Amino acid sequence: KAGVTQTPRYLIKTRGQQVTLSCSPISGHRSVSWYQQTPGQGLQFLFEYFSETQRNKGNFPGRFSGRQFSNSRSEMNVSTLELGDSALYLCASSFGAEAGELFFGEGSRLTVL
Amino acid sequence: DQQVKQNSPSLSVQEGRISILNCDYTNSMFDYFLWYKKYPAEGPTFLISISSIKDKNEDGRFTVFLNKSAKHLSLHIVPSQPGDSAVYFCAASGISGNTGKLIFGQGTTLQVKP
Repeated sequence: KAGVTQTPRYLIKTRGQQVTLSCSPISGHRSVSWYQQTPGQGLQFLFEYFSETQRNKGNFPGRFSGRQFSNSRSEMNVSTLELGDSALYLCASSFGAEAGELFFGEGSRLTVL
Repeated sequence: DQQVKQNSPSLSVQEGRISILNCDYTNSMFDYFLWYKKYPAEGPTFLISISSIKDKNEDGRFTVFLNKSAKHLSLHIVPSQPGDSAVYFCAASGISGNTGKLIFGQGTTLQVKP
């Protein structure tokens, strides 16, 4: 079956702009989580959506937001971009019903100039 | 506050030998632990997991050990192969239901030399 698909794979923005990233989970998965990976901080949890509701949120400023649609596809948005937002943004999906592995996409590489 | 720590940024082993990757955690509420492997330009892929009710889980060449009293887990790869060269992340989860929220360590880069 198809894996987790993230678009776009690469993008370059300038400070102050905003960006929207998209994630299509594995078919049947209802949970979508977002992570930020930077060289110094590793993978940090941003938020999780389950059945269109935000179920968990990490310690990121309000500039980071997300949503999930009825087909489980998810988007995350970062407004007023800062240089420090440059990172690999990873989306992961799961059935969401019990503890288990997450299936990650290949990520969206954001560079903020 | 780093709740999951991988204190070794890198590890180099010879092909055929054992690779041991270590991970420490501070939160006693964590009850499920996972290891992920990541190649450059790819997303992390699940390797093996262990529930806090167990102290060992094996899957082929990979074994994860959990020492709850020490809040320590380790991943053993035997025998190591060049294709195992990647970044390895340990991750922890707590409270059943918070399944999409994993706390990751900072990763250990494993290099297996032929």
